[in-house]
Amino acid sequence: NAGVTQTPKFQVLKTGQSMTLQCAQDMNHEYMSWYRQDPGMGLRLIHYSVGAGITDQGEVPNGYNVSRSTTEDFPLRLLSAAPSQTSVYFCASHTGSGAGELFFGEGSRLTVL
Amino acid sequence: GENVEQHPSTLSVQEGDSAVIKCTYSDSASNYFPWYKQELGKRPQLIIDIRSNVGEKKDQRIAVTLNKTAKHFSLHITETQPEDSAVYFCAAIAGNEKLTFGTGTRLTIIP
Repeated sequence: NAGVTQTPKFQVLKTGQSMTLQCAQDMNHEYMSWYRQDPGMGLRLIHYSVGAGITDQGEVPNGYNVSRSTTEDFPLRLLSAAPSQTSVYFCASHTGSGAGELFFGEGSRLTVL
Repeated sequence: GENVEQHPSTLSVQEGDSAVIKCTYSDSASNYFPWYKQELGKRPQLIIDIRSNVGEKKDQRIAVTLNKTAKHFSLHITETQPEDSAVYFCAAIAGNEKLTFGTGTRLTIIP
């Protein structure tokens, strides 16, 4: 099992450009989520999904879109990148059985100039 | 929604001494409290967790305690070693499956 795979690991964008961060998991987990990590602010939830076809907003959803067409994939889209979106992004999955371990991807470092 | 506060933000201890990190939560319905360790440049990984029906859990040098009445929980690391240097995050979850993280504690072990 590869676990949770994120791509790309590094990306530099110019303000206004768009991009998609890819996330895939092979553990058949129903729950997937995206977090951003900024210095001194911990891990903040952007969007999450409790299953294929179902998504919901987290704590900081503005500027990001998600979709969940399959159990395995949960891409995060930035439609018009802003410098405030410079961050490290982590995708995570878990079984969602009330409480359980989150399995994180390796992270994607995004810089918006 | 849930609010998790974590203290201290940085902690330095001599190798061999103990380290304690504390978290408080706001939602009395929270019933699961994990701790994640993140080494520099790596992904967060679960190191220990506790559920609301348990007051304490131990795994070798790591222990977590939970006080439901006061709504706080703590991570205890004994006999610290250089490899314990990392950022530690506490978290809490209630029934809606949205895990809320604390802001993290950077632990440095001084040889």
